[in-house]
Amino acid sequence: GENVGLHLPTLSVQEGDNSIINCAYSNSASDYFIWYKQESGKGPQFIIDIRSNMDKRQGQRVTVLLNKTVKHLSLQIAATQPGDSAVYFCTFNNAGNMLTFGGGTRLMVKP
Amino acid sequence: DAGVIQSPRHEVTEMGQEVTLRCKLISGHNSLFWYRQTMMRGLELLIYFNNNVPIDDSGMPEDRFSAKMPNASFSTLKIQPSEPRDSAVYFCASSSDRGYEQYFGPGTRLTVT
Repeated sequence: GENVGLHLPTLSVQEGDNSIINCAYSNSASDYFIWYKQESGKGPQFIIDIRSNMDKRQGQRVTVLLNKTVKHLSLQIAATQPGDSAVYFCTFNNAGNMLTFGGGTRLMVKP
Repeated sequence: DAGVIQSPRHEVTEMGQEVTLRCKLISGHNSLFWYRQTMMRGLELLIYFNNNVPIDDSGMPEDRFSAKMPNASFSTLKIQPSEPRDSAVYFCASSSDRGYEQYFGPGTRLTVT
């Protein structure tokens, strides 16, 4: 039968350009946010995190921005490379140690 | 550190058979999460343990699914009897009380025919 799956938003960028992946979260009580990267055939891997007392945090080629007013999170990747092609998930903490995962955004890097 | 270890990496079984998936936590971690990932439903949390105690199992689909932590470093997820709709990639992840970051294993790809 027809395979109807989740429609993942897809971002297609040229190698070397900057990428911005956006995420909206729902729980105003969340105070910890993580971006994960999942490459094909692998488990999600931690990229960068941010606490709610910050609005920006930078890592190597990646920056996370948090806007608590509108409950919005973004991941910026500088000088995107083919190895950045993956599905990216934003997550936020929930009750206990649980994380709520967003639906994911697929990043495709064109050489 | 070896990271989270899952076995088997691939499992193909026939409908009605029992399936057992295994997970070894990172040393020193005390929280364990089982997830299921499919094209249709994305990444779903099945069950969450803290210090060997199941805290939230609201994501477990039905009574055919059960999970245990016989000790602090090891967990099993059992499906009995398995059905074709259980076909998915099953991930376990572990974390410590020092933070929310979860470390994922490589996953077990289950195919039920």
